[in-house]
Amino acid sequence: AQSVSQHNHHVILSEAASLELGCNYSYGGTVNLFWYVQYPGQHLQLLLKYFSGDPLVKGIKGFEAEFIKSKFSFNLRKPSVQWSDTAEYFCAVNGYGGRRALTFGSGTRLQVQP
Amino acid sequence: EAGVAQSPRYKIIEKRQSVAFWCNPISGHATLYWYQQILGQGPKLLIQFQNNGVVDDSQLPKDRFSAERLKGVDSTLKIQPAKLEDSAVYLCASSVTGDDYEQYFGPGTRLTVT
Repeated sequence: AQSVSQHNHHVILSEAASLELGCNYSYGGTVNLFWYVQYPGQHLQLLLKYFSGDPLVKGIKGFEAEFIKSKFSFNLRKPSVQWSDTAEYFCAVNGYGGRRALTFGSGTRLQVQP
Repeated sequence: EAGVAQSPRYKIIEKRQSVAFWCNPISGHATLYWYQQILGQGPKLLIQFQNNGVVDDSQLPKDRFSAERLKGVDSTLKIQPAKLEDSAVYLCASSVTGDDYEQYFGPGTRLTVT
């Protein structure tokens, strides 16, 4: 069975600080990897995704993530956060070519202080 | 492009009552998902439809939950009878079939069972 672990449950940063959110997954086959974001009062939306190719993936709003296959990790990064990045971030995985339903981590609540 | 629509947005019921949620996916999306998101956790798949057929309902509590997708478009999720532990946000998502695995989420229905 697939599982996703997000190590940080609540992160508080000041504006302009750098961000890295950890995500590890377990799955026996080839995976697709995703980061979703949920801003306060809004629905889940895709931040970035990795299917294949370059393991460094760039998403919207200056976010990027690196897929490290040997570590089963897909950490999210941003060099300089803004107050508007305050949100909950979810890492998710699905199995390639088969069941498309996502398995989500428990989420990381990011609070950026002005 | 219109997004995934869900109704109602909020629902409060007493335990042992029944409730139904409705979802209208993005036009042309063959795959539809229902997820349950309990406070403090990531979304968990309840059921996945491909057109009007069930692909995966292994995590659906079938003694009280049911779902249907008539004509392969709209879907309803029903709980009967509700329990306190069913208090959660119920998310509907849809995706196209094929290489694009991105799922688009609706705003969710927040259910409170008292």
